[in-house]
Amino acid sequence: AQKITQTQPGMFVQEKEAVTLDCTYDTSDQSYGLFWYKQPSSGEMIFLIYQGSYDEQNATEGRYSLNFQKARKSANLVISASQLGDSAMYFCAMREGRGYNQGGKLIFGQGTELSVKP
Amino acid sequence: DTGVSQDPRHKITKRGQNVTFRCDPISEHNRLYWYRQTLGQGPEFLTYFQNEAQLEKSRLLSDRFSAERPKGSFSTLEIQRTEQGDSAMYLCASSLALGHPNYGYTFGSGTRLTVV
Repeated sequence: AQKITQTQPGMFVQEKEAVTLDCTYDTSDQSYGLFWYKQPSSGEMIFLIYQGSYDEQNATEGRYSLNFQKARKSANLVISASQLGDSAMYFCAMREGRGYNQGGKLIFGQGTELSVKP
Repeated sequence: DTGVSQDPRHKITKRGQNVTFRCDPISEHNRLYWYRQTLGQGPEFLTYFQNEAQLEKSRLLSDRFSAERPKGSFSTLEIQRTEQGDSAMYLCASSLALGHPNYGYTFGSGTRLTVV
C-alpha cells in the first residue's frame, strides 16, 4: 500500500539558513509523482514543488529544491535562505498512476511544522 | 478564474444534524477531490470525481457521507447525523486529468466543521 512518512513533527531554523524536511515513501508502482505543499495557519494548501518518478534531474523552484533519491525512496525538501514567512506546516504527498482514467488521488504524510527564528 | 472556492468557511452544528458543503472548482478542471484533515494531521482522501462520475471512495467515507457532482461542475459533500468525530477541516481540490501536460492540483481554503 502506498504510504508517505514524515518523521520530523517539528523543526526550527534560523532565518537565512537552509533547512531540509524529510520525506520517505512506499509504493509498488513504477510511475508516481511526489509533491510538497505548504499550509500556513490560514489553512490553504500551497503547492511548492513536484518531482516525477521518471525525472532524472532534481526539481527546483526558486528557494525550494527536492532531493530525490529513488533507490532510497526519499524525497526531501530543501528550503534555502529561510524567511520568517516560511513558518508553516509542510506536507509531502504522493500520487500513483498515469494515464487519463487512472489514479489521481494524493496520499499525504503527517506533516512537519517549521518554525523560522529571527 | 479565482481558484477553488469552498462554502461555507466555517460551520458549527449540533450533533445529529445534517450539514452540506459546496465546492466550486477551477472551471476547466474535470477532476474534483474531497479530503478531510483533522488537527495536526495530513489530509486524508475521501473521494474524487472525474466530470460527474464518482470514480473512487475511501473506506473513511461511511454511509453517513455522500458526495455529488451532478453536472460535472460544482460538488457537494453532505454529512448526515453528524458526530463529534466529524469535526475537521474539509478540503476540496481540483485538477485536470492525469496525463494532461498541465496536470496539477489546486486546493480550496477548506470548510472547518465543528460538531458540538
